[in-house]
Amino acid sequence: NAGVTQTPKFQVLKTGQSMTLQCAQDMNHEYMSWYRQDPGMGLRLIHYSVGAGITDQGEVPNGYNVSRSTTEDFPLRLLSAAPSQTSVYFCASSYLVTGRSYNEQFFGPGTRLTVL
Amino acid sequence: DAKTTQPNSMESNEEEPVHLPCNHSTISGTDYIHWYRQLPSQGPEYVIHGLTSNVNNRMASLAIAEDRKSSTLILHRATLRDAAVYYCILRDMRVTGANNLFFGTGTRLTVIP
Repeated sequence: NAGVTQTPKFQVLKTGQSMTLQCAQDMNHEYMSWYRQDPGMGLRLIHYSVGAGITDQGEVPNGYNVSRSTTEDFPLRLLSAAPSQTSVYFCASSYLVTGRSYNEQFFGPGTRLTVL
Repeated sequence: DAKTTQPNSMESNEEEPVHLPCNHSTISGTDYIHWYRQLPSQGPEYVIHGLTSNVNNRMASLAIAEDRKSSTLILHRATLRDAAVYYCILRDMRVTGANNLFFGTGTRLTVIP
């Protein structure tokens, strides 16, 4: 298994440009999510999905869009990049947690985004 | 979600045990205690989780206080590869969105050769 893969590893954008960060997993996980991590801080949840066709907002969703057309892929779109979106972005996936079972989350290697 | 408090940083000598504390005085009866760690320039990885009883796995042990208001992650023999930021996270696994994790700033562990 490749696990959780993210592309690109690095990206530099100019203010106002748009781009899509790709995330894919090959573990047939229902749950996928996007986090951002700013310097010296913990991860903050942007958006998440509990299955194909279902997405919801996390703590910091503004400026980001997501969609989930397949189980495997969960792209994150920046419609008009701003310097405040300079960060490291992590994608994660897992089986859905139920009241009687825990499923560890697997994180991708991250995408380092700089917006000038 | 209940809040956790962890020291900002800790140091340990290589091959010695490490005890990483986490305070969670407002924990509810259905909150699980999770630990993840983040190695330099990598995404977080799962370490261990528990509810009431102490837990052991191949990576670490989790000791939970009897009143559940604190817990300790124990690395039995620290190696240089264990240098990372360790996050203690509470999550009620019965609620909608239980998969979502909310990270604090964690404890940065430095392992001294």
